Amino acid sequence: QQQVKQSPQSLIVQKGGISIINCAYENTAFDYFPWYQQFPGKGPALLIAIRPDVSEKKEGRFTISFNKSAKQFSLHIMDSQPGDSATYFCAASRVFYGGSQGNLIFGKGTKLSVKP
Amino acid sequence: GAGVSQTPSNKVTEKGKYVELRCDPISGHTALYWYRQSLGQGPEFLIYFQGTGAADDSGLPNDRFFAVRPEGSVSTLKIQRTERGDSAVYLCASSLRGTGSYNEQFFGPGTRLTVL
Repeated sequence: QQQVKQSPQSLIVQKGGISIINCAYENTAFDYFPWYQQFPGKGPALLIAIRPDVSEKKEGRFTISFNKSAKQFSLHIMDSQPGDSATYFCAASRVFYGGSQGNLIFGKGTKLSVKP
Repeated sequence: GAGVSQTPSNKVTEKGKYVELRCDPISGHTALYWYRQSLGQGPEFLIYFQGTGAADDSGLPNDRFFAVRPEGSVSTLKIQRTERGDSAVYLCASSLRGTGSYNEQFFGPGTRLTVL
């Protein structure tokens, strides 16, 4: 059972364009939704994260849109640059009573290529 | 500042052999996670330590896999009787434990395990 579904699998965008990656989740107990960026040979690095009490979060060129009723969230990369070419993973987790954070459940990833 | 480090970076072994993978978390991080990433997939949770104890080992695929964190810092993932299907990148992540907060998990570069 895939708890976090991510699409598309790959994405090609022209420099300066908008990259959009979508994710859907099933478990309504999830309360933390991060996006990770991974370059070849490196570990994932946190890009931006959102909690379900807000519908949008923006950090620089990166925006998360969150739709709690639809159980969907998306990453928008504005003014995409060749340096943004990487694999992007959405994820979800729970924070348990007492504050300890549960494990991250990842989507399968989206390979983004930004053409100059 | 030093991030999460993992050794070795690459490990090639033969089917049936025993391997140990090491993770050095960020100093002061009490939470430590192991994930496994197969080619073209997102990381999959294996085990989570809070201090010295395994708080959640539900992701370990079978009893050939075992992990320890005896002093609450360095962790070792141990795989007995390795199989070709164990080939993957094994990622370690650490985070601060905070009550009621959402703590970022910082990932290491991973150990690429190849079982011949």
